[in-house]
Amino acid sequence: RKEVEQDPGPFNVPEGATVAFNCTYSNSASQSFFWYRQDCRKEPKLLMSVYSSGNEDGRFTAQLNRASQYISLLIRDSKLSDSATYLCVVSLGPYSGAGSYQLTFGKGTKLSVIP
Amino acid sequence: NAGVTQTPKFQVLKTGQSMTLQCAQDMNHNSMYWYRQDPGMGLRLIYYSASEGTTDKGEVPNGYNVSRLNKREFSLRLESAAPSQTSVYFCASRQGRKETQYFGPGTRLLVL
Repeated sequence: RKEVEQDPGPFNVPEGATVAFNCTYSNSASQSFFWYRQDCRKEPKLLMSVYSSGNEDGRFTAQLNRASQYISLLIRDSKLSDSATYLCVVSLGPYSGAGSYQLTFGKGTKLSVIP
Repeated sequence: NAGVTQTPKFQVLKTGQSMTLQCAQDMNHNSMYWYRQDPGMGLRLIYYSASEGTTDKGEVPNGYNVSRLNKREFSLRLESAAPSQTSVYFCASRQGRKETQYFGPGTRLLVL
């Protein structure tokens, strides 16, 4: 079983649409959760951390369900510039011994926002 | 402040050749990482260095060696390149208890 699973897409949506990405993780000891964004042929960059209570950053909302080991990202009012691959990332956190702070990446979900 | 830099950007090798991928960061970060990214596989950790003078294996270390030359620099060496090592290689760094990793622009390696 993959540690972090995502729907690979692609998701093709019109400008202004709302789109949601889902992610599941297998290690119940995971402590920290993130969404990274990767533009075509570029490096990954942190989009946002994901907190248990859910959090929002402008048009982006992230949710975490620890019981279901499920993470989501909602993008409202999609822009052309949102076109990218979105990576779901989990970590065992800072107190996990030799593996501290190591990130485990999902394969990513590709989003194309169409004019 | 350049962040994380990597050289070269592109490289073509023949099977059996060796090369070293260079990574440097100017953010005074303690921890540095090497990943590879293959189509359909996501990023996988090759080696990491929690601090200057220490290195540890990640998920896919076979065929690679690393050197943490100083706090700024962390190099990845392929002693005898194989076609299976064709990939995009990313270096990243992190500071203290913060979990955010900052990535370099990547090196695209093709092994023929």
